Amino acid sequence: DAGVTQSPTHLIKTRGQHVTLRCSPISGHKSVSWYQQVLGQGPQFIFQYYEKEERGRGNFPDRFSARQFPNYSSELNVNALLLGDSALYLCASSLAGRETTNQPQHFGDGTRLSIL
Amino acid sequence: GQSLEQPSEVTAVEGAIVQINCTYQTSGFYGLSWYQQHDGGAPTFLSYNALDGLEETGRFSSFLSRSDSYGYLLLQELQMKDSASYFCAVSPYSGNTGKLIFGQGTTLQVKP
Repeated sequence: DAGVTQSPTHLIKTRGQHVTLRCSPISGHKSVSWYQQVLGQGPQFIFQYYEKEERGRGNFPDRFSARQFPNYSSELNVNALLLGDSALYLCASSLAGRETTNQPQHFGDGTRLSIL
Repeated sequence: GQSLEQPSEVTAVEGAIVQINCTYQTSGFYGLSWYQQHDGGAPTFLSYNALDGLEETGRFSSFLSRSDSYGYLLLQELQMKDSASYFCAVSPYSGNTGKLIFGQGTTLQVKP
């Protein structure tokens, strides 16, 4: 079975531009979460969607938005990019709404976003 | 607020045992998870403790003590491929979300 797939793998943008990152969850997974990981730090929670509804939002500005489609894939949008948005953006999918022993989060390889 | 603290780096030799500690301050959580991440790749789930005590999965074991606000990951029979970053994470009581709060990570270097 395919794992969580994210596209693109790498992206270079300039300040002020906007970006759309895409995520396809593992087949059958209804929960998708987005994380931002700055070099040398742990992932920071941005959003969670479960059954196409927003379940949680982290401490990120309104420039960050997301949505989940009927096929459970998801997009993360970031507007008015800043230098500080340079990071690895990770998508994770799971069967359930929250972490359990038998239903952990499965992460994709991420999109590495660089802002010039 | 919620925060998790881990040592930034740990070094050990091949075949040895290493323990990575995680202390936390959180108002309440469902469980403590551990993830492995190789050089900017995908974090991979290793273990989850919902209850106090030890969980064993092959060469990896994880422990949780809620009364001590403490957990650890134990790696036995270290192999070179275990060189990676290890993160503890909690699932906080914050409604019905799958939010994970991660620690800063511990870089494990395994030497021959």
